[in-house]
Amino acid sequence: AQKVTQAQTEISVVEKEDVTLDCVYETRDTTYYLFWYKQPPSGELVFLIRRNSFDEQNEISGRYSWNFQKSTSSFNFTITASQVVDSAVYFCALVGNAGNMLTFGGGTRLMVKP
Amino acid sequence: EAQVTQNPRYLITVTGKKLTVTCSQNMNHEYMSWYRQDPGLGLRQIYYSMNVEVTDKGDVPEGYKVSRKEKRNFPLILESPSPNQTSLYFCASRRTGGTGELFFGEGSRLTVL
Repeated sequence: AQKVTQAQTEISVVEKEDVTLDCVYETRDTTYYLFWYKQPPSGELVFLIRRNSFDEQNEISGRYSWNFQKSTSSFNFTITASQVVDSAVYFCALVGNAGNMLTFGGGTRLMVKP
Repeated sequence: EAQVTQNPRYLITVTGKKLTVTCSQNMNHEYMSWYRQDPGLGLRQIYYSMNVEVTDKGDVPEGYKVSRKEKRNFPLILESPSPNQTSLYFCASRRTGGTGELFFGEGSRLTVL
């Protein structure tokens, strides 16, 4: 069985602060894929990133960066210089090699105050 | 425009009254799935389909049925809805043969009284 844990249920920051959202996962598969999705207040799910288990390079996209550490089974997401528009629920997710079951964490609600 | 379309977007119904939430995608994706989202639990998979006429249970299939008669459609059926099925439902699709991005519908908020 696979599992994704997002221990932070809610985070509140002031605009321009950096914030890191934690994601820890469990899987028996040697090949797997990790995702982050954003759910803004409007409710849709927005794809942010996919990372496969063989690629441990960190990735940066504008103010967003992701730190994948296989040794600690973590795939953390950092927003630099947060903005009010970053306020949303963020989900980390995992799919194993079979590709049929995408398991989500419980989500982290990020509130960025002006 | 590539999209996954769910209907209805909002529904209030009563216990026991059968309902169907439709899902249609225009990307010729083989894989489709249904999720429910509940506070603190994230999204949990209800059913998925790897292709036409191939469906399988996810983590929380009880009380739901699905069918996949055509590639583009994957309806979710609640034969006898109960209040614990009040939730936000998402349909999603992607290509098979990869584990790429899931494309999600806009969600269907269902309330069972």
